[in-house]
Amino acid sequence: DAGVTQSPTHLIKTRGQQVTLRCSPKSGHDTVSWYQQALGQGPQFIFQYYEEEERQRGNFPDRFSGHQFPNYSSELNVNALLLGDSALYLCASSLAQGGYTFGSGTRLTVV
Amino acid sequence: KQEVTQIPAALSVPEGENLVLNCSFTDSAIYNLQWFRQDPGKGLTSLLLIQSSQREQTSGRLNASLDKSSGRSTLYIAASQPGDSATYLCAVSSNNNDMRFGAGTRLTVKP
Repeated sequence: DAGVTQSPTHLIKTRGQQVTLRCSPKSGHDTVSWYQQALGQGPQFIFQYYEEEERQRGNFPDRFSGHQFPNYSSELNVNALLLGDSALYLCASSLAQGGYTFGSGTRLTVV
Repeated sequence: KQEVTQIPAALSVPEGENLVLNCSFTDSAIYNLQWFRQDPGKGLTSLLLIQSSQREQTSGRLNASLDKSSGRSTLYIAASQPGDSATYLCAVSSNNNDMRFGAGTRLTVKP
């Protein structure tokens, strides 16, 4: 049973560029949430997708956007990258009120 | 807005000790609470999930309790081992179904 799959695992981008991160949820899960985790901090909630729509959003600017596809997979897009966007980006999937299953994350470095 | 706090931020113990990690949250209207383990630079591994109707969950040497009315949870680790060294994160899922994290407790178990 495949868990949550994220790609790529590592990424280096230049300030001002755009990036797309991808997530495939655990089989049977229909909800995908994205988190940003800076070094030494807990994960910060970016947004959550359910039925191909953004259901909840944390305190992140509009440069952060996402999408969920009919097969429940999801993308996180970040435009006009800043140095401060360097972090581990985590994707989690869930079903109804069940627990979350996390992927291994994408390490984004902005230079 | 749900706020999650974890105490202590860091803990160092000798091998074999029993220990308790604490988590508190501000809004008692939760659906569930989940404890995760995170190794450096890695994703999150779920340890225990406690539904709001439950008081505790156990898995091996781990026991997590939940007191919704007081907004507290504890993670008890028995007979700690060096392999238990990691950051432990507490996360709460509220009525809007997004999960909010504490900053974590960094545990070091010395041989």
